[in-house]
Amino acid sequence: RKEVEQDPGPFNVPEGATVAFNCTYSNSASQSFFWYRQDCRKEPKLLMSVYSSGNEDGRFTAQLNRASQYISLLIRDSKLSDSATYLCVVRPTDKLIFGTGTRLQVFP
Amino acid sequence: DTGVSQDPRHKITKRGQNVTFRCDPISEHNRLYWYRQTLGQGPEFLTYFQNEAQLEKSRLLSDRFSAERPKGSFSTLEIQRTEQGDSAMYLCASSLSGHNEQFFGPGTRLTVL
Repeated sequence: RKEVEQDPGPFNVPEGATVAFNCTYSNSASQSFFWYRQDCRKEPKLLMSVYSSGNEDGRFTAQLNRASQYISLLIRDSKLSDSATYLCVVRPTDKLIFGTGTRLQVFP
Repeated sequence: DTGVSQDPRHKITKRGQNVTFRCDPISEHNRLYWYRQTLGQGPEFLTYFQNEAQLEKSRLLSDRFSAERPKGSFSTLEIQRTEQGDSAMYLCASSLSGHNEQFFGPGTRLTVL
């Protein structure tokens, strides 16, 4: 079983749609959680950290459920520029453990 | 541009050859990480340094792989006797200890023929 599991997608959604991605992790000792965004053939970039209380950054909302070891990302009012791969990431120690990523394609 | 640079950006080599990649982290960052990413997968941790000390190595890092960070600034990753399975994107990241965010470089794409 992989340490971080994500649905690889792709998710194809129209502009303006709301889309949700989910992720589960196996290491209950993980302390930090993130969503990274990766454009095609580019490096991953931090989208947002994920906190137990849930956090929002504009159109993006992240949630963490430690009891279920479950992380989510909600994107509201999707834009064409949101098309990318979204990587769920946990940090049990100093290294990052990445999921396989969920590909999002937003169409006009 | 995150401020982390990697060289070369692309490398094509024949099976059995040795290759070396370089990473220059953000100047004040004391931690430097190497990851490998293959098509359709997320990056996988290889190793990391705090200053010049190599603190952790993944079991993915076979004895053909060696990484150094001799002066606690730039790092090199060498792969000896390359195999076709080594074909991947090799990503470098840096951070400050005590800070969560790791900043990634653009990667070196290795193709082993």
